[in-house]
Order: sequence, then C-alpha cells, then structure tokens
Amino acid sequence: DTGVSQDPRHKITKRGQNVTFRCDPISEHNRLYWYRQTLGQGPEFLTYFQNEAQLEKSRLLSDRFSAERPKGSFSTLEIQRTEQGDSAMYLCASSKTSGRGDEQFFGPGTRLTVL
Amino acid sequence: AQRVTQPEKLLSVFKGAPVELKCNYSYSGSPELFWYVQYSRQRLQLLLRHISRESIKGFTADLNKGETSFHLKKPFAQEEDSAMYYCAPPGSMDSNYQLIWGAGTKLIIKP
Repeated sequence: DTGVSQDPRHKITKRGQNVTFRCDPISEHNRLYWYRQTLGQGPEFLTYFQNEAQLEKSRLLSDRFSAERPKGSFSTLEIQRTEQGDSAMYLCASSKTSGRGDEQFFGPGTRLTVL
Repeated sequence: AQRVTQPEKLLSVFKGAPVELKCNYSYSGSPELFWYVQYSRQRLQLLLRHISRESIKGFTADLNKGETSFHLKKPFAQEEDSAMYYCAPPGSMDSNYQLIWGAGTKLIIKP
C-alpha cells in the first residue's frame, strides 16, 4: 500500500460543468475525510465518513457538493455546476479508529481550476 | 466547533536560532491536538501529537491548558525545517464537531 491516492491530480474545467474526484484511502482505514484548501489557508473541512456512512458535513458546504463512499473503501466527491470560487486544492485523508486522536494520512490532492 | 488559530502567517529565523510556532485553541472538553507539516512539493504529514509527548526532528509541543496553547518549539533551527506547519484537531469526531484547522505558519530558515 503506497498510501492515500487521489485522481485526477489536476482538473481544469469550465464554469457550470460537473466534476468528480476519487480518493482511495489506506486499505485498513475506516475513516475518510475531504478537505478544501485555498492559497494561504489551512485545510477546510468538507465532510467525513466512517466506513460507508457520511457522519458529518460542513455547514458551509454548498448543496452543489456531494460525496459518497459506497462500499466503505474509495470515495468520490462531486461538484455540480462549478463556479470560479470552487477553484482550490481538494485533499482527501484517511485514518484508523484509535482510542484517542486519529492521525490523518493525506493524499497528494486534486487541484481544480474553474475557468 | 473545535477551532485552532495560528497567529503568525510567516516566521523567518536564522539557522541555529530557536523556533516557536504559536497555536491557540478554543475547545470545550479535553483538547487533543496535532502538528502537521508540509514540506515543499510533499503531502501533509503528521509531525507530532500532544498525547505522545515525544520529540520529533527536535520539535516538541506542550499543551498549556491555562493559556489554551499548543506551541511548537525547537531549540536550534535547521534549514530542512523550512516548511508549512499546521496546528490541527484530531481526526476523530463527535457529532456537531466541525474540524477547523489553523491557517498555517510558513517557517523559513535562513542560512
């Protein structure tokens, strides 16, 4: 296992188009997170899965964003009707439930540019 | 929400000088905090967590509940320490938690 992987690494799209990103976590990890990061900011939490259940979603997240983790393994993040403000790095992380304080392992990110 | 703040966007020190990266938290309950680091062209990775109380690459961080701080320190900076540093809450979540990371501090070590 080479760690968390994300696909694609870069995506350029036109405003109004839909995009979908994939994340493959470390195989034994039951938790999966999506973050968004813009220049000069820390990772901004989007949503979180435990196995296949989506347990938490950012209150700031637009309805245009949806995420799935159908079999508790890989996850997809879809953005519908993209806007220029969606341009950012989208990070995926995974972790394994521990007694206290999960360490998150991050993927390389998908950089989205909306023209 | 579990919120952490990093007041410094940029910190520049000379090689061999002490380093302190500040992190303050706003929590209810017992805080659990981490420091993550991102070196140039690499992915985010864990540097250290407060429950382990260990020193990694010469860095230490002590949780100060009185000051609600978790500052990262190193007595003698090295050029390879140049990176982005993020103070972060843990990945485990209870309902209604909204993970809020610090904005990060860019550490530059001058030769």
